[in-house]
Amino acid sequence: GEDVEQSLFLSVREGDSSVINCTYTDSSSTYLYWYKQEPGAGLQLLTYIFSNMDMKQDQRLTVLLNKKDKHLSLRIADTQTGDSAIYFCAERAGNQFYFGTGTSLTVIP
Amino acid sequence: DTGVSQDPRHKITKRGQNVTFRCDPISEHNRLYWYRQTLGQGPEFLTYFQNEAQLEKSRLLSDRFSAERPKGSFSTLEIQRTEQGDSAMYLCASSLGSGIYYGYTFGSGTRLTVV
Repeated sequence: GEDVEQSLFLSVREGDSSVINCTYTDSSSTYLYWYKQEPGAGLQLLTYIFSNMDMKQDQRLTVLLNKKDKHLSLRIADTQTGDSAIYFCAERAGNQFYFGTGTSLTVIP
Repeated sequence: DTGVSQDPRHKITKRGQNVTFRCDPISEHNRLYWYRQTLGQGPEFLTYFQNEAQLEKSRLLSDRFSAERPKGSFSTLEIQRTEQGDSAMYLCASSLGSGIYYGYTFGSGTRLTVV
């Protein structure tokens, strides 16, 4: 299957920006996604980016895509305690999503 | 419609027993997916249905696993002769069409513990 890599942990102070990074392997991926998982809950789609875009902004979220380096990042501005969760990047290949291992974001008040 | 529902939320079973999980997708969604998530990992694809047809199965889905979606609505995932390695969160998701624009809607999962 595809290999999607993420760093495991990130800790930021409330009000600061968070940047979560991801690398993927399938250069043919058309769409790349960010999901959020809160404790005991399923995955919630946060945003996605089409592979011919470099950047997408959606309120506090900014997605940056470097297709040459197969690098995807998610920036959360003005991080709040409610943003504490695990964040997964995912690439789509065929009819499947391939998820990274997830980055656990802890927001310190 | 309140989203994707999974039942039970938690299941503890003894090794060797059979277990069955149920997933009720969003009613107008024609595609239904099963994923497995182990601790510290992202979800891994198991299988998916389009309506009642099971179109893809992962190599992770051994002969002890079987999934059905008999009327194209709810789905069941059965694990026979459970092993400790089956302990995981089993996630169900659904989508209308390929889900390429909106991703999938995931349920909260069934956490299986095999003792």
